[in-house]
Amino acid sequence: AQKVTQAQTEISVVEKEDVTLDCVYETRDTTYYLFWYKQPPSGELVFLIRRNSFDEQNEISGRYSWNFQKSTSSFNFTITASQVVDSAVYFCALSERVVQGAQKLVFGQGTRLTINP
Amino acid sequence: GAGVSQSPRYKVAKRGQDVALRCDPISGHVSLFWYQQALGQGPEFLTYFQNEAQLDKSGLPSDRFFAERPEGSVSTLKIQRTQQEDSAVYLCASSLSARGQFFGPGTRLTVL
Repeated sequence: AQKVTQAQTEISVVEKEDVTLDCVYETRDTTYYLFWYKQPPSGELVFLIRRNSFDEQNEISGRYSWNFQKSTSSFNFTITASQVVDSAVYFCALSERVVQGAQKLVFGQGTRLTINP
Repeated sequence: GAGVSQSPRYKVAKRGQDVALRCDPISGHVSLFWYQQALGQGPEFLTYFQNEAQLDKSGLPSDRFFAERPEGSVSTLKIQRTQQEDSAVYLCASSLSARGQFFGPGTRLTVL
């Protein structure tokens, strides 16, 4: 069965520090998608990134970067020069194919990130 | 609207009451998902619709949970005879393809 593990329950850093959130997944599918979502205190899940299992190229978007390593089944997320507004719960998710092409998401437990001024 | 909307945002029910939670997906999105998020946990899949057809309801925890999407747009998640363990945030998401699901703000259900 699909499984996503986010071993870090909570992380607290001082503003401007770099921080990496770990994500390890298990799947028997050969084609799958990996996602990161941010959940601020308001509660809404905000989509950050989707990565196809065939594309192991790392991606950078501003202060955010993602390191996908298929060999270790990991999809880690790094925030560079963290800011207080980055404080939120971050979820890693893995797609699981359901009927007729749709993909339901299997989420990790989440990592609560607190950036202190 | 531009995003997924859900109503009500908060619902308090007495144990044994029936509740109905509404989801308005992004216009044109064929796929609609319901997830349940318990406190301190990640969301867990409940059910999936493609247009009006409910193609997967494997995540519904009991037969007290029922979902519908009769015209292929708005969806309602109904919980009958609520129990305290039903207290959670119920999230709705819609998508056009496997590219990604877009979530609504959720409905926080508290059963007393």
